[in-house]
Amino acid sequence: SAVISQKPSRDICQRGTSLTIQCQVDSQVTMMFWYRQQPGQSLTLIATANQGSEATYESGFVIDKFPISRPNLTFSTLTVSNMSPEDSSIYLCSVLPGAEAFFGQGTRLTVV
Amino acid sequence: QQQVKQSPQSLIVQKGGISIINCAYENTAFDYFPWYQQFPGKGPALLIAIRPDVSEKKEGRFTISFNKSAKQFSLHIMDSQPGDSATYFCAASPSGNQFYFGTGTSLTVIP
Repeated sequence: SAVISQKPSRDICQRGTSLTIQCQVDSQVTMMFWYRQQPGQSLTLIATANQGSEATYESGFVIDKFPISRPNLTFSTLTVSNMSPEDSSIYLCSVLPGAEAFFGQGTRLTVV
Repeated sequence: QQQVKQSPQSLIVQKGGISIINCAYENTAFDYFPWYQQFPGKGPALLIAIRPDVSEKKEGRFTISFNKSAKQFSLHIMDSQPGDSATYFCAASPSGNQFYFGTGTSLTVIP
């Protein structure tokens, strides 16, 4: 299993600013994932973050908008850059220590 | 394109009743099918999962039924309780890498 601590749990931000979300895992994991969950919607994968290499982004998501860092095997950050109201969403990090995916509690972002 | 289709979008069940949520997929490379339960303000938590080598898996009040030929799987919650009220997501994964999630089902269990 894995315990994930995600910060902040929520934030209200002004449009045009950036927010960095942190994800800390209690064990070393090779792959970390960042998801977006828009209100009442399913989870959409933003990118996969591997330690020591650039993140792999899914279609519709770009590094300039969602830069990701993965400095070690237990930590990652996702930055939401130049925010607009359309970025209001829940952002979740996830890890796969085995076959099961574990999720952080999410960061509820509101852009005003 | 939605890789995993889930229905219904919402479900209201009386306490003690059976809740049934259905999912379908197309990609035959999927070999791991978990269900996640999400309460408001929380991240999804693994509820139960199945691999295609079995047709059914039961854990307490929760059962997954899997039909490989039809490429469908479903979650059955027996004796549904108000505490089961949450959003449920099915998912599918090829070899435990990327997960594809259904659109979610909001379950309300009425006392």
